[in-house]
Amino acid sequence: EAQVTQNPRYLITVTGKKLTVTCSQNMNHEYMSWYRQDPGLGLRQIYYSMNVEVTDKGDVPEGYKVSRKEKRNFPLILESPSPNQTSLYFCASLGVSSYEQYFGPGTRLTVT
Amino acid sequence: GQQVMQIPQYQHVQEGEDFTTYCNSSTTLSNIQWYKQRPGGHPVFLIQLVKSGEVKKQKRLTFQFGEAKKNSSLHITATQTTDVGTYFCAGQTSYDKVIFGPGTSLSVIP
Repeated sequence: EAQVTQNPRYLITVTGKKLTVTCSQNMNHEYMSWYRQDPGLGLRQIYYSMNVEVTDKGDVPEGYKVSRKEKRNFPLILESPSPNQTSLYFCASLGVSSYEQYFGPGTRLTVT
Repeated sequence: GQQVMQIPQYQHVQEGEDFTTYCNSSTTLSNIQWYKQRPGGHPVFLIQLVKSGEVKKQKRLTFQFGEAKKNSSLHITATQTTDVGTYFCAGQTSYDKVIFGPGTSLSVIP
């Protein structure tokens, strides 16, 4: 089954404690992306990657890092989380011959 | 920078009534996509429109892309409770640049 998986699905943490949200896709997609979703603001792109070892900033990259060492994985790293990073995060992937983004189930992060 | 707006933000309809959400981009788009997100779920792709003036139908859903390729609409005829969710448009200007609108949240009263 074609899918994008994210872990963890829920996370409550404290300010300053480094965390990583994993994302993996099994569709051999080149393009992967991270979004955050906040009420009234829709989905805002954090970072994206066109292929292995290629990453670029989206619209709201501050406070986040990503890496793309393998085609299937695209982890999101928060080195020093702050309360304003409390949000719902989605990972998505897309193939070069397609236009349909496949989204993961989401990770709800709360930073206290 | 590029912006994609959607109206209305919320819409409450009686089951059986029609529903329309409108999407406007500040710049000309190469294509526009529509996604649906059920409560507690993740966005799911519905359709892509590419051509100026294009109209596509999926059962009770009708999607339109404006002549200037800067606006789009989604119309649902005779809403059902299964239509509940948030509908997002996403405007694309290049392969790596997709901007999502803020979404329209639809509630259907049985």
